Amino acid sequence: GAVVSQHPSWVICKSGTSVKIECRSLDFQATTMFWYRQFPKQSLMLMATSNEGSKATYEQGVEKDKFLINHASLTLSTLTVTSAHPEDSSFYICSASIWEGTNQPQHFGDGTRLSIL
Amino acid sequence: RKEVEQDPGPFNVPEGATVAFNCTYSNSASQSFFWYRQDCRKEPKLLMSVYSSGNEDGRFTAQLNRASQYISLLIRDSKLSDSATYLCVVNKGVSSASKIIFGSGTRLSIRP
Repeated sequence: GAVVSQHPSWVICKSGTSVKIECRSLDFQATTMFWYRQFPKQSLMLMATSNEGSKATYEQGVEKDKFLINHASLTLSTLTVTSAHPEDSSFYICSASIWEGTNQPQHFGDGTRLSIL
Repeated sequence: RKEVEQDPGPFNVPEGATVAFNCTYSNSASQSFFWYRQDCRKEPKLLMSVYSSGNEDGRFTAQLNRASQYISLLIRDSKLSDSATYLCVVNKGVSSASKIIFGSGTRLSIRP
């Protein structure tokens, strides 16, 4: 089945550091990928839609200058959390979709657990 | 009102029991529907798509009721490994560019 790889799995860093997270579709091309954030005991919240070759579409309330998204190829999207602060600590997950019959379900990367000290 | 609503649970049932969850959605134009499971501190994994005619995969049965705007998931002969949070997911369209909406999840705990 479709595989989405996310790297790194864990990041612990100091406040003010910028952190880059990679999301790769391993066996298919993904023109669209999605970035989510999940706080403990809460549901996934869509942050932005990453479009290959064009600007990302951000959800309301998500700062585009804070969360930089680059989708330079059909198999790679990156999310950079710039000048991260403790409140940015969260579980970040990317996803991509592929046609499976008549539906196009999302397949998720393993997620990146970000802890800002 | 949330676009996708689920009973958060937790549902605590004995091993071997049958358990069912419902999920309601508000947008009647929604096109595709899915159930995912999410284990603690892990990413969601697709459990099954939900088709209009209803579909079954082993011990799992999913149904869609467009008139009442809900989907359901039935788990028969529950196993300890079924303990997880089950997420209802609704896609407003069928293409990858369509926004998908997640329910907040229903927690299921299977006890020995």
